[in-house]
Amino acid sequence: SAVISQKPSRDICQRGTSLTIQCQVDSQVTMMFWYRQQPGQSLTLIATANQGSEATYESGFVIDKFPISRPNLTFSTLTVSNMSPEDSSIYLCSVEGEGGNEKLFFGSGTQLSVL
Amino acid sequence: KQEVTQIPAALSVPEGENLVLNCSFTDSAIYNLQWFRQDPGKGLTSLLLIQSSQREQTSGRLNASLDKSSGRSTLYIAASQPGDSATYLCAVGAAGNKLTFGGGTRVLVKP
Repeated sequence: SAVISQKPSRDICQRGTSLTIQCQVDSQVTMMFWYRQQPGQSLTLIATANQGSEATYESGFVIDKFPISRPNLTFSTLTVSNMSPEDSSIYLCSVEGEGGNEKLFFGSGTQLSVL
Repeated sequence: KQEVTQIPAALSVPEGENLVLNCSFTDSAIYNLQWFRQDPGKGLTSLLLIQSSQREQTSGRLNASLDKSSGRSTLYIAASQPGDSATYLCAVGAAGNKLTFGGGTRVLVKP
């Protein structure tokens, strides 16, 4: 299994500011995923991040709002830009298991509140 | 577009009773199906992964079945314990290991 460290664990931000969330994995992984969980709802995939290429965004999510970096095989960041209260959610990063194991492992999440 | 539904949304049982959690999905062309457990502040923990060619998977007190043709999966937890209290999420896997999640079932096991 992969061990994923996600920072920060929670933050309270002002409207119009940006927050960058970091995701560090203890092993090299090809694909990393970023999910959002809005209050009272289930998880929705934001984008898939592969090292060395631009992230692939799902319908309803755009790079200008959620820029993603993937500088190497163990690290990724997600930025929530120009935040509004509607961005208040839990943001989670996820990776595949080793050896192409299709099980996904999740970080503990970032609880974001926007005032 | 794949849609995943979990019923019931919440479940409360006395300790020792067996738990039955249901998941249904609209598109049977799936790669796999995973069950997760979510605890507050601790992210998600993968419980069981069922490949599209499999009918069930077992791990300890947990057993998950998959019926692709009817678009259903069921998670059974035998002899429930208070530590089983959590939200259980069903997720259907598509190409690129992209998951579509259900809304979850919130479980409370009372001592």
